[in-house]
Amino acid sequence: DAMVIQNPRYQVTQFGKPVTLSCSQTLNHNVMYWYQQKSSQAPKLLFHYYDKDFNNEADTPDNFQSRRPNTSFCFLDIRSPGLGDAAMYLCATSSLLAGETQYFGPGTRLLVL
Amino acid sequence: AQSVTQPDIHITVSEGASLELRCNYSYGATPYLFWYVQSPGQGLQLLLKYFSGDTLVQGIKGFEAEFKRSQSSFNLRKPSVHWSDAAEYFCAVTAYNNDMRFGAGTRLTVKP
Repeated sequence: DAMVIQNPRYQVTQFGKPVTLSCSQTLNHNVMYWYQQKSSQAPKLLFHYYDKDFNNEADTPDNFQSRRPNTSFCFLDIRSPGLGDAAMYLCATSSLLAGETQYFGPGTRLLVL
Repeated sequence: AQSVTQPDIHITVSEGASLELRCNYSYGATPYLFWYVQSPGQGLQLLLKYFSGDTLVQGIKGFEAEFKRSQSSFNLRKPSVHWSDAAEYFCAVTAYNNDMRFGAGTRLTVKP
């Protein structure tokens, strides 16, 4: 089945130690999104790619970066994780059509020690 | 910019009872509206969506939602709740640019 895959499902890192989360998709969608979701809160958009065009949300900290080497893969890099970055990170994809559904991966739970 | 309000943070219903989760949106044009469900530790699963046409939309797992433009609402309903429906439910709205905004979510507890 076509889907959005996130690895790892759980990630433990140390304060200040860089970490990379990965997302892949078999839907061949042009748009890929990264969301941060803290406990009991709604997902918050960090950034998204339209094909190779990167779009950063205004309030996304510089500590968060992203790479999209090809259509299928997208990475979230946290350069120096702080305790406040502990959260669920969700990847989603959609086509370019207006109002199209976003399809979500299962998420990566990040713990910062 | 579009926004979504889910007035109920937490709802408890008995198994077999009916359910209605409220969602109000703010957007100047016709919105694209979605309901997602999230089980603990999982991603978001699409329940249903409204783009245009019939204002009553059917989704998966027996859910339906009704778009009411006059009330700026898109409430989710289910006639008989099952224990497996316990989860967090998010209403979301997008504009033409696919910028999706989520409501704060409603946590559903199902009593046996």
